[in-house]
Amino acid sequence: DAGVIQSPRHEVTEMGQEVTLRCKPISGHDYLFWYRQTMMRGLELLIYFNNNVPIDDSGMPEDRFSAKMPNASFSTLKIQPSEPRDSAVYFCASSFAGWGQPQHFGDGTRLSIL
Amino acid sequence: AQSVTQPDIHITVSEGASLELRCNYSYGATPYLFWYVQSPGQGLQLLLKYFSGDTLVQGIKGFEAEFKRSQSSFNLRKPSVHWSDAAEYFCAVGPMEYGNKLVFGAGTILRVKS
Repeated sequence: DAGVIQSPRHEVTEMGQEVTLRCKPISGHDYLFWYRQTMMRGLELLIYFNNNVPIDDSGMPEDRFSAKMPNASFSTLKIQPSEPRDSAVYFCASSFAGWGQPQHFGDGTRLSIL
Repeated sequence: AQSVTQPDIHITVSEGASLELRCNYSYGATPYLFWYVQSPGQGLQLLLKYFSGDTLVQGIKGFEAEFKRSQSSFNLRKPSVHWSDAAEYFCAVGPMEYGNKLVFGAGTILRVKS
């Protein structure tokens, strides 16, 4: 079975540019999560969706970050404008609904803002 | 507030030796507990999970973990470590509230020496 698919795997761009990260969750999963991982701050939850609706975006660092889930099989995380401190690995994860369902992670997008 | 503590940032063990990674949690009720492993350049992979019942749970790759309510601990163990086990290990607890949100520990990096 296909797992969570993220694209691109690597992104290098200059500060000020718009960056769009993409995620395809596992088919049938009701929840989708976006995380950011850095050496300094570890793994941070940015936002999560349930049935395509954002539930909690309290982890989104600034208004420069936005996320959408237009349908059950696709989500985007956008940074506009990007800054060097946004450099990190961004993970998408998905899970079934229900107490204690594990999250399944994609391989991440390594983002470098120059 | 709910939290997860992994006291060891780095651990080095010899190949063939036993391993124990520590995890302590703070949670108001019986938690759902997870261990994930992250190899370099990869996403997080679920090793095992605890919901209820038998406090000793078996996972993939020969790992097991024991839930101890009295100590608020969920330590991960493996009787004989292989060089391929070198990775970062994350303990997580959830759900925290509505939805499947998890709280992750800071991770423990395992190094295996031959």
